[in-house]
Amino acid sequence: QVQLQESGPGLVKPSETLSLTCTVSGGSISSYYWHWIRRPPGKGLEWIGYISYSGGTNYNPSLKSRVTISLDTSKNQFSLKLSSVTAAGTAVYYCARGSTYAGTWYVDYWGQGTLVTVSS
Amino acid sequence: SSELTQDPTVSVALGQTVRITCQGDSLRYYYANWYQQKPGQAPVLVIYGQNNRPSGIPDRFSGSTSGNTASLTITGAQAADEADYYCNSRDSSGNHLVFGGGTKLTVL
Repeated sequence: QVQLQESGPGLVKPSETLSLTCTVSGGSISSYYWHWIRRPPGKGLEWIGYISYSGGTNYNPSLKSRVTISLDTSKNQFSLKLSSVTAAGTAVYYCARGSTYAGTWYVDYWGQGTLVTVSS
Repeated sequence: SSELTQDPTVSVALGQTVRITCQGDSLRYYYANWYQQKPGQAPVLVIYGQNNRPSGIPDRFSGSTSGNTASLTITGAQAADEADYYCNSRDSSGNHLVFGGGTKLTVL
């Protein structure tokens, strides 16, 4: 059974960079697609981006200029960096595994989520 | 605003059938997937590729598509089905992932 666990600071100051790491267990990170998704308080899910098993990245156009997702296969981890955060970046951040089916992209395993608050 | 549109709230009587819909132009070309999220928990995939259920998902959950509208149907809704439901798919360019705004399902 694949398990994902987010880790990182729960409080980030405005204008600084939010950094989170996701550790994958029960399966290799050297296949599938690895996503970051967030849910702001009182709002719905927002896709941030993914990194593929080969290192290719794909980001939400609305966040692209500030997002970097990277992969560390030696540690079975992938990471998120979101720069120049504002209060709008306050959310529960999820890491997740993505798969494909007949041209569809879907997410089949999720981490438990970690709350990141942007505040001074 | 999302490229996939969902009704914010839907209610159903216990044991009855309910349909939750998701509209978007990209659904003419790509299948929708559906997720259930309960308060304080991570989302759970309930339907992928239009009408495939992951292991452990009850068969009262089913999916379908007509034109630009995808539907999640719960046949014989249970109290445990009360949750937020999100659809997702590829966007109209086919290059990115998008989620619908979510539907809060209340079981009466």
